[in-house]
Amino acid sequence: DQQVKQNSPSLSVQEGRISILNCDYTNSMFDYFLWYKKYPAEGPTFLISISSIKDKNEDGRFTVFLNKSAKHLSLHIVPSQPGDSAVYFCAALGEEGAQKLVFGQGTRLTINP
Amino acid sequence: DTGVSQDPRHKITKRGQNVTFRCDPISEHNRLYWYRQTLGQGPEFLTYFQNEAQLEKSRLLSDRFSAERPKGSFSTLEIQRTEQGDSAMYLCASSAGLAGRGEQYFGPGTRLTVT
Repeated sequence: DQQVKQNSPSLSVQEGRISILNCDYTNSMFDYFLWYKKYPAEGPTFLISISSIKDKNEDGRFTVFLNKSAKHLSLHIVPSQPGDSAVYFCAALGEEGAQKLVFGQGTRLTINP
Repeated sequence: DTGVSQDPRHKITKRGQNVTFRCDPISEHNRLYWYRQTLGQGPEFLTYFQNEAQLEKSRLLSDRFSAERPKGSFSTLEIQRTEQGDSAMYLCASSAGLAGRGEQYFGPGTRLTVT
């Protein structure tokens, strides 16, 4: 059972525009969410996170929004840059102290010049 | 700090053979994780160590898989009697106890191909 789902395998965005990546989850015990970014031949790198007690967290060009009632989160990148082209993974953690990250399938983002 | 390193980066083996992978975490990181990633999927949790203690194992970790972290530093993941379904990228990650929740530092992975 896929507890974290990213339903868009790929997304193409024009440079300078906004990129919006979506993620849905089914397990109501998840209380912390993260986005990781992965370039080819490298491991995933942490990008931004959000606790379930918040509905928004911002870090520079990256903003994550959480809608707990809909069990949905999204990552906004604005403005999008060519270096943002990568695979983005949504991940979730259970109760405080849990160490096991549960990942979605990933979305490949391509930023076109 | 050179980051998390994994060795080898690629491994091709025949079905039925045993393989062992090594992970060197960031120095002084007390937590170490193993994940497996297949094509088109995100990483799937396999197991987790705090220092030398293996604290959690996924049901994905069949009895053919064993992981160790003998001195709380590097870790090894062994797969016995490999099967074609074991073909995947095996990722290692580490974190410090005081790091933000979920902030794990991943290595580049070991790609296993079982023929």
